[in-house]
Amino acid sequence: GAGVSQSPRYKVAKRGQDVALRCDPISGHVSLFWYQQALGQGPEFLTYFQNEAQLDKSGLPSDRFFAERPEGSVSTLKIQRTQQEDSAVYLCASSPRTGDQETQYFGPGTRLLVL
Amino acid sequence: AQSVTQLGSHVSVSEGALVLLRCNYSSSVPPYLFWYVQYPNQGLQLLLKYTSAATLVKGINGFEAEFKKSETSFHLTKPSAHMSDAAEYFCAVRVDSNYQLIWGAGTKLIIKP
Repeated sequence: GAGVSQSPRYKVAKRGQDVALRCDPISGHVSLFWYQQALGQGPEFLTYFQNEAQLDKSGLPSDRFFAERPEGSVSTLKIQRTQQEDSAVYLCASSPRTGDQETQYFGPGTRLLVL
Repeated sequence: AQSVTQLGSHVSVSEGALVLLRCNYSSSVPPYLFWYVQYPNQGLQLLLKYTSAATLVKGINGFEAEFKKSETSFHLTKPSAHMSDAAEYFCAVRVDSNYQLIWGAGTKLIIKP
């Protein structure tokens, strides 16, 4: 079956522009995660959804970052008034159930460059 | 707070040689530990995970890792490197009641012909 998909794969934005990044998880997966991966670093947690409920948003770096998953499937990460420090790869992952042992399945990421 | 340290941002081995990628974690409670691999322009893919069932964990592509509580380590090994193993490898930890994975900075594995 299809894996996690993300769009766009690449995005160039001017500083101050708003962007929206889309994640299509594996069908039926309950849990959805967003991570930010800066160049040369490991991913850093941004936020977590269980179905449509956002249970943890402690990793969002500022109130310019907003995520939603209104119907418990597709998720969108929105960044308002982008800054250069927002340049990174944004990774989405899903897992079939909740639970700490569950494997997270990752999409290819969206590479955001803010000029 | 939990953290993960991967020793060596780059590791270079000859084809056919032993691969050893190091991962140390800090956690006050028993963790769940994961190794993921990232090939260029592809998403992170799970290699193996430790969930307390067995200390020696076998994964895909001939990789395995051993959980050593006394050393707080979860090093990744493969007896004989192949050219196709060239990729970046990430170690991650997850602790009960915490949704997020905590990641190391990654180790880029280079295979010399």
